[in-house]
Amino acid sequence: DAGVIQSPRHEVTEMGQEVTLRCKPISGHDYLFWYRQTMMRGLELLIYFNNNVPIDDSGMPEDRFSAKMPNASFSTLKIQPSEPRDSAVYFCASAGEGSNQPQHFGDGTRLSIL
Amino acid sequence: GQQVMQIPQYQHVQEGEDFTTYCNSSTTLSNIQWYKQRPGGHPVFLIQLVKSGEVKKQKRLTFQFGEAKKNSSLHITATQTTDVGTYFCARLYYGGSQGNLIFGKGTKLSVKP
Repeated sequence: DAGVIQSPRHEVTEMGQEVTLRCKPISGHDYLFWYRQTMMRGLELLIYFNNNVPIDDSGMPEDRFSAKMPNASFSTLKIQPSEPRDSAVYFCASAGEGSNQPQHFGDGTRLSIL
Repeated sequence: GQQVMQIPQYQHVQEGEDFTTYCNSSTTLSNIQWYKQRPGGHPVFLIQLVKSGEVKKQKRLTFQFGEAKKNSSLHITATQTTDVGTYFCARLYYGGSQGNLIFGKGTKLSVKP
């Protein structure tokens, strides 16, 4: 079975540009999560969805960040405008139904903002 | 706020030595999960512990959940170079209209051949 698929794998762009990260969760999973990982702050939860509905977005840094899940098989995380401090690895993960199912992570998007 | 604290932050061992990482919470955990992330990779689920005092083994890895369900440990016997990576514990609960998802900062293990 295909795992969580993220694109692009790498993104390098100049500050001020819009960045869109994409994620396809595992088919049948009800939960989708967006994380950001940096050396300083570790793995941070940004937002998560249940059945395409955002449940908790308290981890979203600021209004420059937005996430959508228009259907069960696709989600986007958008940064507009991007800043150098947004440079990090962004992971998408999905999990099946239940209150504590294991999370399955994608390979991540390594984002560099110049 | 609610956190899970992991110690040590880094551990360097000689191949063949044992390794242990600890995860502590100030509040009672309903469950604890462990993940491993290889360098340049993504976190991969290892195991979940739910019961007080639970012990689970996966080959050379032994996972324990404390009696009070406030701490957990991962022990690797006779480390190998393939054990290199960062080990995270996580408290994960997501249900209904709210959730509680917190990853520890991780313990980075390096193994010298």
